[in-house]
Amino acid sequence: QMQLQESGPGLVKPSETLSLTCAVSGGSIKFYFWTWIRQTPGKELEWIGHISSTGYTDYNPSLKSRLTMSVDSSKSQFSLNLNSVTAADTAIYYCASATTSYSYFDLWSRGSLVTVSS
Amino acid sequence: EIVLTQSPGTLSLSPGERATLSCRASQSVSGNYLAWYQQSPGQAPRLLIYGASTRASGIPDRFSGSGSGTDFTLTISRLEPEDYAVYYCQQYGGSPRTFGQGTKVEVK
Repeated sequence: QMQLQESGPGLVKPSETLSLTCAVSGGSIKFYFWTWIRQTPGKELEWIGHISSTGYTDYNPSLKSRLTMSVDSSKSQFSLNLNSVTAADTAIYYCASATTSYSYFDLWSRGSLVTVSS
Repeated sequence: EIVLTQSPGTLSLSPGERATLSCRASQSVSGNYLAWYQQSPGQAPRLLIYGASTRASGIPDRFSGSGSGTDFTLTISRLEPEDYAVYYCQQYGGSPRTFGQGTKVEVK
């Protein structure tokens, strides 16, 4: 049974970089599109973007200029870096898997609250 | 960007009643690539339906999805206690992928 577990700081200062990592266990990282989704305090869900095991990326245009995703197949993990954060980036961040570039999200992590505050 | 609008915002129903949730897209959803998720308090969203009408693995048959183009519906035939939650629709036919704002099903 594949599982996803994200890790990273729960508090980030404004203007700094938010960095999260998602570890994949119980399955291969090679056959999916690895996705980041966030949920605002108002409960709205926003697709951040995804990366394939070969490094192909697709980012939400609203975040693209601040966003970098990477994958480390040797460690079975993928990462998110969002720079120049503001309070509007405060959210629960989920990692999730999709079987193709255009697919639903059938596996989600538990989610990690990241607060942007000084 | 495809905007998804869900209605109603809140649905107040008693156990055993039928729930009908709507999701309307601002433009046609390619391939009917429309999914529904359930989110219980403190939990991550859980996939219920994909391809507008296909139940995900392990999802009870009281959940059904229908619709095409711009109008989609999630129906819960008889509400069980564990079904009281927030439901989101999501399109994955275009980029960026987008979600509706959610419908909360609460106990009447």
